Amino acid sequence: ILNVEQSPQSLHVQEGDSTNFTCSFPSSNFYALHWYRWETAKSPEALFVMTLNGDEKKKGRISATLNTKEGYSYLYIKGSQPEDSATYLCACRNNYGQNFVFGPGTRLSVLP
Amino acid sequence: EAQVTQNPRYLITVTGKKLTVTCSQNMNHEYMSWYRQDPGLGLRQIYYSMNVEVTDKGDVPEGYKVSRKEKRNFPLILESPSPNQTSLYFCATGGGPNQPQHFGDGTRLSIL
Repeated sequence: ILNVEQSPQSLHVQEGDSTNFTCSFPSSNFYALHWYRWETAKSPEALFVMTLNGDEKKKGRISATLNTKEGYSYLYIKGSQPEDSATYLCACRNNYGQNFVFGPGTRLSVLP
Repeated sequence: EAQVTQNPRYLITVTGKKLTVTCSQNMNHEYMSWYRQDPGLGLRQIYYSMNVEVTDKGDVPEGYKVSRKEKRNFPLILESPSPNQTSLYFCATGGGPNQPQHFGDGTRLSIL
């Protein structure tokens, strides 16, 4: 089973702070990495799909980078707002299978 | 409007009583998947389907069955539910492994 890890497990920041967290995955046979944002009482929503080493994606104040050689992706949030409070999930797929393996998530709380 | 519809949203039932959770999508997506979410364990994939009549096991398939007779529907079947299948279940669909997944609203199952 593919092992996907995320750190930190949870994070509390003040409004206006910038923050980042990490998704780690096996670098061998990498195929694709997805980032999702999951608000309480809702369903996960896609943020980014990344496939190439060196990929950088941006959506508003949120951006992500991908390093497939060393097996990690960073998610950055610039100038955090209370509405950014959510659990951020990454999911990885390798070349061996068609299934996705999710990390345990990073729970972000942005304090006003 | 793009939709992934799961039914029921909530169900309390007893051990051994067969149940089906339906999932329907209107996006003509080929890829459909079922996940369960348990505290501390994150989202774990149960089964997935790459297309009609093509299904495969995810990481935790034991105790579940699926079928994909039509492109739009991907029901999850619990033939003989047990208490350890009490969980929050999500159906998700996608245009392919390099496309983001769209999640349904979730089904909370309680097996007594």
